[in-house]
Amino acid sequence: GQQVMQIPQYQHVQEGEDFTTYCNSSTTLSNIQWYKQRPGGHPVFLIQLVKSGEVKKQKRLTFQFGEAKKNSSLHITATQTTDVGTYFCAGGTSGTYKYIFGTGTRLKVLA
Amino acid sequence: DTGVSQDPRHKITKRGQNVTFRCDPISEHNRLYWYRQTLGQGPEFLTYFQNEAQLEKSRLLSDRFSAERPKGSFSTLEIQRTEQGDSAMYLCATTPVEQYFGPGTRLTVT
Repeated sequence: GQQVMQIPQYQHVQEGEDFTTYCNSSTTLSNIQWYKQRPGGHPVFLIQLVKSGEVKKQKRLTFQFGEAKKNSSLHITATQTTDVGTYFCAGGTSGTYKYIFGTGTRLKVLA
Repeated sequence: DTGVSQDPRHKITKRGQNVTFRCDPISEHNRLYWYRQTLGQGPEFLTYFQNEAQLEKSRLLSDRFSAERPKGSFSTLEIQRTEQGDSAMYLCATTPVEQYFGPGTRLTVT
């Protein structure tokens, strides 16, 4: 079955350092969504990417969708303590309504 | 607060009992998902509704799980004959495109 993997599983950074998480799907995606989940909270939507090679920016966050639509990345510039949480990608595929969530990357920011 | 509510927030039950959870979506959202999340894992898709129609269900879901969405408004998820492996957070999400998650129902099966 379809799998979505994320690396790294954990990342500890000093405040101000950059952070990147990578998402890889075993199958071609129609779109990919990114979510942030704070400890004890529920996933919160960040962005959706649809087009091959698409790049979107939200302040310090940059999201990319691979040319083959099988991978994606989230890059945070100059992390802040408020960035702490687990970042999930969720892949959608044609012919199905379901989203497959990745394994997540847990980010810890040290002040 | 996303506007999606779930009830109860916590449920402790004994193995073999039936449990039912409720999700109240954002009123204008006609699409609704149920997910299950265990510690350290991403949400796992359970089922999808468009209005009152259940259009997709995970093949991994046993027959003990059933979901309904009468009249296309609130939704319920029932687990019959609960097992310890059912212990998890059950999340509901409603969506025009992006998914708005509720706070979840944490189920503990003893």
